[in-house]
Amino acid sequence: ETGVTQTPRHLVMGMTNKKSLKCEQHLGHNAMYWYKQSAKKPLELMFVYSLEERVENNSVPSRFSPECPNSSHLFLHLHTLQPEDSALYLCASSPGGKDTDTQYFGPGTRLTVL
Amino acid sequence: AQKITQTQPGMFVQEKEAVTLDCTYDTSDQSYGLFWYKQPSSGEMIFLIYQGSYDEQNATEGRYSLNFQKARKSANLVISASQLGDSAMYFCAMREGHTGGFKTIFGAGTRLFVKA
Repeated sequence: ETGVTQTPRHLVMGMTNKKSLKCEQHLGHNAMYWYKQSAKKPLELMFVYSLEERVENNSVPSRFSPECPNSSHLFLHLHTLQPEDSALYLCASSPGGKDTDTQYFGPGTRLTVL
Repeated sequence: AQKITQTQPGMFVQEKEAVTLDCTYDTSDQSYGLFWYKQPSSGEMIFLIYQGSYDEQNATEGRYSLNFQKARKSANLVISASQLGDSAMYFCAMREGHTGGFKTIFGAGTRLFVKA
């Protein structure tokens, strides 16, 4: 596979469930990102990892827990979510953090919290 | 103040015509990158084109070109010969060199409708 892949593509979960989103990049990049995209709101950066170390954490509630076991894989662990957490969750990767570094996105996971 | 402003929530264009999507930005950095992404209804953000702040020529990628006017801080996307498949949301984005770190700032987007 090439580019950035995300699984699952769609997820429906109850507020008491625990689930995980997975992202994998095949581009040899060093940085990976989680974004949240809600209806009628700009893209919100959630977490950034560079060389498996978290470098950005934008005041995200603790019910979202990221994990980056290596530079190719990124997870977002979800627990006790709220209905307002329903959104499209996009993963991205980039070579690094320079202003010239293009981010490449995965297809997203559309999450619905009941 | 918003760092990236896209003033057109929606745009219509006739198939085969050209269309310009507006983007203005605000930064005090000398080094920055400007990006345009396309997001079809499927959700994936597709990278279209990049312009560096030090690039003297406007970037072009196939039917996409970026009209970069540095003094006006604008980075408009021009799509030539529109196709039905161009109907999508389009996002302008910026990465700042010295202050931005890993952050990419996105605009609110413009929804483009291509009419047959």
